[in-house]
Amino acid sequence: EVQLVETGGGLIQPGGSLRLSCAASGLTVSNNYMNWVRQAPGKGLEWVSVIYSGAGTHYADSVKGRFTISRDNSKNTLYLQMSSLRAEDTAVYYCARELDGPVGYFDLWGRGTLVTVSS
Amino acid sequence: DIVMTQSPDSLAVSLGERATINCKSSQSVLYSRNNKNHLVWYQQKPGQPPKLLISWASTRESGVPDRFSGSGSGTDFTLTISSLQAEDVAIYYCQQFYSFPITFGQGTRLEIK
Repeated sequence: EVQLVETGGGLIQPGGSLRLSCAASGLTVSNNYMNWVRQAPGKGLEWVSVIYSGAGTHYADSVKGRFTISRDNSKNTLYLQMSSLRAEDTAVYYCARELDGPVGYFDLWGRGTLVTVSS
Repeated sequence: DIVMTQSPDSLAVSLGERATINCKSSQSVLYSRNNKNHLVWYQQKPGQPPKLLISWASTRESGVPDRFSGSGSGTDFTLTISSLQAEDVAIYYCQQFYSFPITFGQGTRLEIK
């Protein structure tokens, strides 16, 4: 079964750091365009970041300079390192596979992990 | 950035009736090289991730019931559910993939009347 499983969310104080992981099974992370998409509580979807199969990366302006996307090919896992966290970063973070990229759409999503930034 | 605007924000429809959700983009998402509209629709049920329903504005994904259909071109798109079922209660999102960054509509909440 093809699936993505996110972990690493939790409660973190403003200004803190957190690393999210997305373990993939049934697909090879390094062969796909992999993204992070977030959803604030009760709000809509916001694209956050992408890492291409060639390892190029892009970020939304709202997280640029604070978040870093990466992957570990040996673990078939995607990561999102988040630093200088703000209250407005509070959201469920989904990893998602992108099709028809660059600038594509998402056919496979994990169930998400909740990040709460609060003192 | 391309702004995606959905209407209405919420919608209540009786079981068996038609539901229509609109999505308008701030610029055309019709790509001249392939003559395709770079727009998709997702369904999100409570506590679940989004599910891809329709790609390229009108191509139903495998396993999606045929009561779901997408139409439109350029800047104006529509998701139609021909006969609403109880399991269709969800929030529906459109998304453009014509240009970077990927952007979503704000969502339309669909409920049973």
